[in-house]
Amino acid sequence: GAGVSQSPSNKVTEKGKDVELRCDPISGHTALYWYRQSLGQGLEFLIYFQGNSAPDKSGLPSDRFSAERTGGSVSTLTIQRTQQEDSAVYLCASSLDAQGHNEQFFGPGTRLTVL
Amino acid sequence: GDSVTQMEGPVTLSEEAFLTINCTYTATGYPSLFWYVQYPGEGLQLLLKATKADDKGSNKGFEATYRKETTSFHLEKGSVQVSDSAVYFCALSKGYGGATNKLIFGTGTLLAVQP
Repeated sequence: GAGVSQSPSNKVTEKGKDVELRCDPISGHTALYWYRQSLGQGLEFLIYFQGNSAPDKSGLPSDRFSAERTGGSVSTLTIQRTQQEDSAVYLCASSLDAQGHNEQFFGPGTRLTVL
Repeated sequence: GDSVTQMEGPVTLSEEAFLTINCTYTATGYPSLFWYVQYPGEGLQLLLKATKADDKGSNKGFEATYRKETTSFHLEKGSVQVSDSAVYFCALSKGYGGATNKLIFGTGTLLAVQP
């Protein structure tokens, strides 16, 4: 079946602009996660959704970052007033549910470059 | 807080050599432990996992044993191939008792296997 998909695959934007990153999880997966992979910080957790609710937003680096999930499926990560330090690969993952032993399946990522 | 420490890379080996990548963790409770792999130009994928102490995860000739007494989950392979060249990430998650099932990653270890 289809895996986790993300769009766009690459995004180049100018400092100060807003960007939206999209994630389509595996059908039937109730848990959805956003991570960020950057040279300086490695792989870091951003936010977790269970259904349409986000019980853990502790990894969002600032209030410029927000995310939503609708219909228990698609999620959008929005970065407002982008800064150069936001440049990274943004990864989305989904799992069947939120139990700790369940595998998280990752999408290919969106590479964001802020000029 | 919870954390994962893995050996610095890059690790360069000749084909058919023995591989060990060390991983230790700090966590309260009973985390699940994972090794994820990122091949060049590809997304993160699960290599193996172990969900309780003394469990051994194995896949594609790789194996790792969950050692609670040493808080370790070292990755081993008896004979590496060029196709094993990738970045390997050790990670933990909980997802019980109200904790978020987020993955906490180590910094990653680049493995380069030469023919």
